[in-house]
Amino acid sequence: GNSVTQMEGPVTLSEEAFLTINCTYTATGYPSLFWYVQYPGEGLQLLLKATKADDKGSNKGFEATYRKETTSFHLEKGSVQVSDSAVYFCALSDRSSGAGSYQLTFGKGTKLSVIP
Amino acid sequence: GAGVSQTPSNKVTEKGKYVELRCDPISGHTALYWYRQSLGQGPEFLIYFQGTGAADDSGLPNDRFFAVRPEGSVSTLKIQRTERGDSAVYLCASSSLVQETQYFGPGTRLLVL
Repeated sequence: GNSVTQMEGPVTLSEEAFLTINCTYTATGYPSLFWYVQYPGEGLQLLLKATKADDKGSNKGFEATYRKETTSFHLEKGSVQVSDSAVYFCALSDRSSGAGSYQLTFGKGTKLSVIP
Repeated sequence: GAGVSQTPSNKVTEKGKYVELRCDPISGHTALYWYRQSLGQGPEFLIYFQGTGAADDSGLPNDRFFAVRPEGSVSTLKIQRTERGDSAVYLCASSSLVQETQYFGPGTRLLVL
């Protein structure tokens, strides 16, 4: 079956520090990969995605590259801000699953706190 | 509407009671998903609708859980004989037919006492 493993938190960084949140996956087919973010008191929002190997997703200064050889999709940001404090979820959808569903399989989430 | 909405935002019930959770997807989105998120975990898939039909209900944990989408828009998740282990945040997401990206609602936080 499909699964996603991401580094456990919480992660605490100082403002302007470099961020990496590791994510690896197992999938039976050819998944698309996503990072979702949940800010305090808000719902899940798509941060970025990549649909095939070697694609790079980017948004708001965050980047992640789809690495098929290492089955990874690590999230990075060069300089975090206090406003980046949130819970980050790595997820995959496997288009080879039946019934046309793009159901998402999520990791457990990594809580990031950025301090001034 | 502008986004996916869910009602109620919070629901407290007693063990053994019946509850209904409602989801209003983004207008025009034909695909609708329900997920359940327990504390400290990522969301877990429950059921997927394409139009009015439940195309994939493989994530429903048991037969106490049921969902409908009679007109292909609003969906209701129904839980019978609630148990304390059903306490979680229930999330709804929708997407258009040709896109993978799912847009999530704010969730309904269910607490079973």
